[in-house]
Amino acid sequence: DGGITQSPKYLFRKEGQNVTLSCEQNLNHDAMYWYRQDPGQGLRLIYYSQIVNDFQKGDIAEGYSVSREKKESFPLTVTSAQKNPTAFYLCASSDSFGKPQHFGDGTRLSIL
Amino acid sequence: AQSVTQPDIHITVSEGASLELRCNYSYGATPYLFWYVQSPGQGLQLLLKYFSGDTLVQGIKGFEAEFKRSQSSFNLRKPSVHWSDAAEYFCAVVRGGSNYKLTFGKGTLLTVNP
Repeated sequence: DGGITQSPKYLFRKEGQNVTLSCEQNLNHDAMYWYRQDPGQGLRLIYYSQIVNDFQKGDIAEGYSVSREKKESFPLTVTSAQKNPTAFYLCASSDSFGKPQHFGDGTRLSIL
Repeated sequence: AQSVTQPDIHITVSEGASLELRCNYSYGATPYLFWYVQSPGQGLQLLLKYFSGDTLVQGIKGFEAEFKRSQSSFNLRKPSVHWSDAAEYFCAVVRGGSNYKLTFGKGTLLTVNP
């Protein structure tokens, strides 16, 4: 079955450490997205990519970086510059403008 | 700026009762509208969508939603709630002129009493 796979499900970060969250999709979608979810805040867009080798900042990109070297992969790095990284991170994809986004099951990041 | 408002943070209903979750948006043109559901610790699942045409749309799991342009609303309804419907529900709108990007409401948590 096609879908979006996020790994790991749980991740812990030490002070000053960068961590990378994986997102892989086999839906052949062009667009991919990263969201951050905090309790009572809904979902906020971190980065998005409409096509391979191109990506754009979302609303809360500071302290995060991404790459899009392959159509199926869109990893997110949470850098040490992100001072409040504890959150639930969701990856999504869609095949064209206005089409519904499909979501992975998320990665929960915590600080040690 | 476009925004999505879900006025109810938490709603509790009894199993078998009817349900209506409210969603209002601020946007100049007719937006693309969505309702998603999220179970604890999981991703979001699409319940239904509105792009154009019939303003009453049917979704999965017995849900429906009605687009009312005059009220800038897209409320989600279900005639009889099941205990398995307990989850968080998010309304979302595609932002005009900025391909692909969704704006989400802050969600409504639904509790179902037996």
